[in-house]
Amino acid sequence: NAGVTQTPKFRILKIGQSMTLQCTQDMNHNYMYWYRQDPGMGLKLIYYSVGAGITDKGEVPNGYNVSRSTTEDFPLRLELAAPSQTSVYFCASSYLGGENGYTFGSGTRLTVV
Amino acid sequence: GENVEQHPSTLSVQEGDSAVIKCTYSDSASNYFPWYKQELGKRPQLIIDIRSNVGEKKDQRIAVTLNKTAKHFSLHITETQPEDSAVYFCAASSPGGGNKLTFGTGTQLKVEL
Repeated sequence: NAGVTQTPKFRILKIGQSMTLQCTQDMNHNYMYWYRQDPGMGLKLIYYSVGAGITDKGEVPNGYNVSRSTTEDFPLRLELAAPSQTSVYFCASSYLGGENGYTFGSGTRLTVV
Repeated sequence: GENVEQHPSTLSVQEGDSAVIKCTYSDSASNYFPWYKQELGKRPQLIIDIRSNVGEKKDQRIAVTLNKTAKHFSLHITETQPEDSAVYFCAASSPGGGNKLTFGTGTQLKVEL
C-alpha cells in the first residue's frame, strides 16, 4: 500500500514551458485535491475532484488544469509556466472528503526561472 | 467561502513547557477541524482532529479544544520536546463542494533545549 504517490519530486522549468505533475493513490479514495504551499501562506487549494470524471476549481486555479479519468490518478497540468507558480505542490486524497482527513503525497518542489 | 486564521506565526518555548496555537474560522457550517504537523521538507501529517459535536479531545501530550459559539479552536502541546519542533497547520472542513479543507497559514514551533 503506497498511499499517495507524487512525481517528480523536484523540477526546474523555464518560463513558458509546460509540465504535468503526477498523482496516484491506491486507497480507492474518491476525493482528491491539489494544493500549493508558498512560504508563510499555508496551503491553497488549486483543484479538487470528487470522483472519476468530476473536477472543480479551488481557490487558486488560474494557470492550471486537471483531469480525472480514473479513480487512482489526478494529474495537474501547468501550461505556460510563470515565476509565480514557483511553489511546493501537494496532492491529497480522502475517503469521503476532508471530514475524514487527508492523506498527502510527498510533494513536488517546482521552480520556474 | 471558509477563512481560517492562525496565530501565532512563530512560537518558541523551552523544552518541557506548554505550547498553544489558536485558530479561528468563519463558516459556522464547518464541522471538522484537523491539525497537521509538517517537518522540514516533509508532507503534512495529521496529528489530531476534532468534530463539531465535541468540545475537547486529548491524545497523550496533545489536546485540541473547540468553541463553536466563538468559532475558534486551539492546539495544546504539553511537556514539549525537541522533536515537537515543526510547522503546525490548523484546518476546517467546509461541508459540500468536495468537503475540502481550508488551512491556516501555519505556526513555526521551536522547542529550545
